[in-house]
Amino acid sequence: GDSVTQMEGPVTLSEEAFLTINCTYTATGYPSLFWYVQYPGEGLQLLLKATKADDKGSNKGFEATYRKETTSFHLEKGSVQVSDSAVYFCALSLNSGGSNYKLTFGKGTLLTVNP
Amino acid sequence: DTGVSQDPRHKITKRGQNVTFRCDPISEHNRLYWYRQTLGQGPEFLTYFQNEAQLEKSRLLSDRFSAERPKGSFSTLEIQRTEQGDSAMYLCASSSPGGNQPQHFGDGTRLSIL
Repeated sequence: GDSVTQMEGPVTLSEEAFLTINCTYTATGYPSLFWYVQYPGEGLQLLLKATKADDKGSNKGFEATYRKETTSFHLEKGSVQVSDSAVYFCALSLNSGGSNYKLTFGKGTLLTVNP
Repeated sequence: DTGVSQDPRHKITKRGQNVTFRCDPISEHNRLYWYRQTLGQGPEFLTYFQNEAQLEKSRLLSDRFSAERPKGSFSTLEIQRTEQGDSAMYLCASSSPGGNQPQHFGDGTRLSIL
């Protein structure tokens, strides 16, 4: 079945450090790829997405490039802030029939940024 | 855009009781999803509605679980005869029609079984 594997955390960085969170996927078709972020006590917020190979999603300084050849969608940010502390989820979606584009998530990576 | 709303935010109940959660999606979204998230894990798909029709149910959704979306707007998720293993965060998401649209999530309902 479809699955997402992402870097296990927790990840602890100092402010202004470079961030990479690795994500790879297995899918039976050609998925769309997403990064979601979850702040404490809140639901998931879409951070960025990419729908086809070599697409780069970007938002709030975060970037990820859809790499079909390596089945990867690694999340990067050049300079993290304390406010980036959260859990980050990599996810894929495929049409499972009709209009259903259910998401398959990785386990999440907890990021803590210290001042 | 008022966002996806879920009620209640927290529910504590004794084992064996029935519980019902409500989700109000973004008004123009005709697609609605339920997911379950346990501690330290990513959300897992439970069920999907397009308008009022329930089009897919995960095998995670045992016979004790039932979901409805009677008028194609809000949805309810009911769990009968709750068990310890039902303790989790239940998340609702909605998306607009047409192609692979991004899903917008509510803040979830956290269920604790005593």
